[in-house]
Amino acid sequence: QQQVKQSPQSLIVQKGGISIINCAYENTAFDYFPWYQQFPGKGPALLIAIRPDVSEKKEGRFTISFNKSAKQFSLHIMDSQPGDSATYFCAARGGTGNQFYFGTGTSLTVIP
Amino acid sequence: SQTIHQWPATLVQPVGSPLSLECTVEGTSNPNLYWYRQAAGRGLQLLFYSVGIGQISSEVPQNLSASRPQDRQFILSSKKLLLSDSGFYLCAYGTGAGKAFFGQGTRLTVV
Repeated sequence: QQQVKQSPQSLIVQKGGISIINCAYENTAFDYFPWYQQFPGKGPALLIAIRPDVSEKKEGRFTISFNKSAKQFSLHIMDSQPGDSATYFCAARGGTGNQFYFGTGTSLTVIP
Repeated sequence: SQTIHQWPATLVQPVGSPLSLECTVEGTSNPNLYWYRQAAGRGLQLLFYSVGIGQISSEVPQNLSASRPQDRQFILSSKKLLLSDSGFYLCAYGTGAGKAFFGQGTRLTVV
C-alpha cells in the first residue's frame, strides 16, 4: 500500500507565485521527512527535510510545514521561478533499514 | 565527500535476457543501500535495501534480486527480464545523519 500520499499530481503556477504540495502519512514511527526535486532523466536530489519534533523549517524560498497530530506535511515554494519546474517528491523514513517511502510525485510547471 | 556511481545510464535488453546493474558508493563506510524503481510518470518504489554486506531485504515480490558483495557495492539482478521490468532504476545510500542520496539512475527498456 502507499505509505505516503501526495497531492496534487500536477501543479501550474505563475512566476512569482507560491507553489504548495501536500503529503500525508499513516505510520507514526516515521522519523524523518525529506523533499526531493527531480529533473527529467536525473536522480532525485535532496531539497529540504524536517524531523517530527519541528513544526516548520525554512531554507531560502523553500519551507516545510509539519503537522504531527494530523500526520501531514507540506512544501511551500515562495516566489516560484521557471527553474523550479521539476517533479517534487515527499518521503518518510522508517523501518529496520531506515528506508525511505516516497509519495507519487508532483509535476510543477512555473509559467514565466 | 561522499559520491555514488551507478551504471549503465541506459540499457536496452530483450525479454528473457539477464540483468546486472551496479552501484558503488565512495567516501562512506557501512552505508545503508537502496534500490528503487520509478515507472514512467510515477513515484519511487522501494525494491530492496541493505544494512550490511550480504544483508538484503526485499520490499515487494518481483522478478529481481539484489546482492551486496562488498560494503559499498550494491547489485540489482534478474535471470530473465520481463517487459514489466522496464523503468528507471535508482540506487541510493543513507548517511549517518539519516539522509538519502541518489545516483543518476539507469533507464532500462525491455523489448
